[in-house]
Amino acid sequence: EVQLVESGGGLVQPGRSLKLSCVASGFTFSNYGMNWIRQAPGKGLEWVAYISSGSSYIYYAETVKGRFTISRDNAKNTLYLQMTSLRSEDTALYYCARLDGYGFAYWGQGTLVTVSS
Amino acid sequence: DVVMTQTPVSLSVSLGGQVSISCRSSQSLVHNNGNTYLSWYLQKPGQSPQLLIYKVSNRFSGISDRFSGSGSGTDFTLKISRVEPDDLGVYYCGQGTQYPPTFGSGTKLEIK
Repeated sequence: EVQLVESGGGLVQPGRSLKLSCVASGFTFSNYGMNWIRQAPGKGLEWVAYISSGSSYIYYAETVKGRFTISRDNAKNTLYLQMTSLRSEDTALYYCARLDGYGFAYWGQGTLVTVSS
Repeated sequence: DVVMTQTPVSLSVSLGGQVSISCRSSQSLVHNNGNTYLSWYLQKPGQSPQLLIYKVSNRFSGISDRFSGSGSGTDFTLKISRVEPDDLGVYYCGQGTQYPPTFGSGTKLEIK
C-alpha cells in the first residue's frame, strides 16, 4: 500500500524558516517524481514544487521561488521542503503527492504550517 | 499559467440522481505528445484529495464506473451518476499539460 506521511509543520513567525518532510513507503520511491501541494484554510489547491526521481529536474511556483527548496533522499525514501522567509500567505496544509502518468495519484494526509506572530 | 475555471461553485443533488461539473481551461490542454493531462479529484470532508479521473476520461484504480469524464481541448466535464452519500465533498479539476500544474477552484457537492 502506498503511504506518504508528512511532518514538520507548526506555528512559525513571519520571516523564519521551517523544514517539512514526507516519508514514502509501499512503492519504489526513487522511481517517481514528487511534489508539494498546499491548501490554505478553506481554499483550493496550489501546486508548490516538483522534483524528478533523480533530482535532475526541479520546478517551483512563482509564489515560492527563491524562498523554498525541494529536495529528496532516495536512500531514506524521504522528500523535503525547506521553507525560508515565511509569510502569512504561506499558511496552509502542505501535502506531498506522487506524480504518475495519471496525475497526482497519491497524497499524504498533510502537515499544517501556520505563519503568525 | 493555465487558468482552470470550474462551474458551478456548488450544487445539491438527491441520492440516486446525476450531476455534471464543468471545467474550462484558458489554453488547450493537448500536450505535444498528443495526450491531454486533465484530471479530476475529490476531496471528502477532512480528507486529502483523491484522484478519480486522469487523462480526461480514464478512471483511476478502484474508482466506480458511476464517475465518468469527457471533453477535449479546453472544455471538460465530470459526470456522477446514481449519486451516493459518500460522493459528497469538493471536486477539483487539474491540468498537468503545462507547468505549473494548476487546479480549478472547486465544486462543492451536497446531498439533498
